[in-house]
Amino acid sequence: DTGVSQDPRHKITKRGQNVTFRCDPISEHNRLYWYRQTLGQGPEFLTYFQNEAQLEKSRLLSDRFSAERPKGSFSTLEIQRTEQGDSAMYLCASSLRLGGEQETQYFGPGTRLLVL
Amino acid sequence: KQEVTQIPAALSVPEGENLVLNCSFTDSAIYNLQWFRQDPGKGLTSLLLIQSSQREQTSGRLNASLDKSSGRSTLYIAASQPGDSATYLCAVLTGNQFYFGTGTSLTVIP
Repeated sequence: DTGVSQDPRHKITKRGQNVTFRCDPISEHNRLYWYRQTLGQGPEFLTYFQNEAQLEKSRLLSDRFSAERPKGSFSTLEIQRTEQGDSAMYLCASSLRLGGEQETQYFGPGTRLLVL
Repeated sequence: KQEVTQIPAALSVPEGENLVLNCSFTDSAIYNLQWFRQDPGKGLTSLLLIQSSQREQTSGRLNASLDKSSGRSTLYIAASQPGDSATYLCAVLTGNQFYFGTGTSLTVIP
């Protein structure tokens, strides 16, 4: 399967614990995006990488959140000291950005986080 | 900041009907507009992408149009089937960010 994969698919944690999610993009894609989606809402942008460089972060991404893409391939999203408000679906998407008009995002299945 | 709105929020139709979903956006400086389908608890599947220089795209029973100057797009689904039941999301690429609407939840009744 050459699509975008995410691990784990589900995570239940207690408030205050740290969690880490992984995303493996489509191999030739140079951009990788993280989104958060809550029930009944569209995905909200968190951050994106162009190769290994993190170029933009949303104000939604508090200092408890950190993302890396160390070799320009897979990415991790870590949430420290989780809060109940962090409960959501975390989606990863990748794309090949050559020119903006043709950039198409391909999404992974998401990681559903529940903070108790 | 780009804002994307989708109307209606929910739609229920009998099988076989043709239907139209609407998407509007506030900033016309977009690179493209993409329509996605999302099944409950799953990720997003791309349906159609319309580049800013294009006016419509077609794939099977789906046709999407784009009027960039008025900030509107429509997704037309012909001869709806129960398998079309899902949430449909539109997203616009502005600068380096994709902005999503809140989606239209479609139910096709057999």
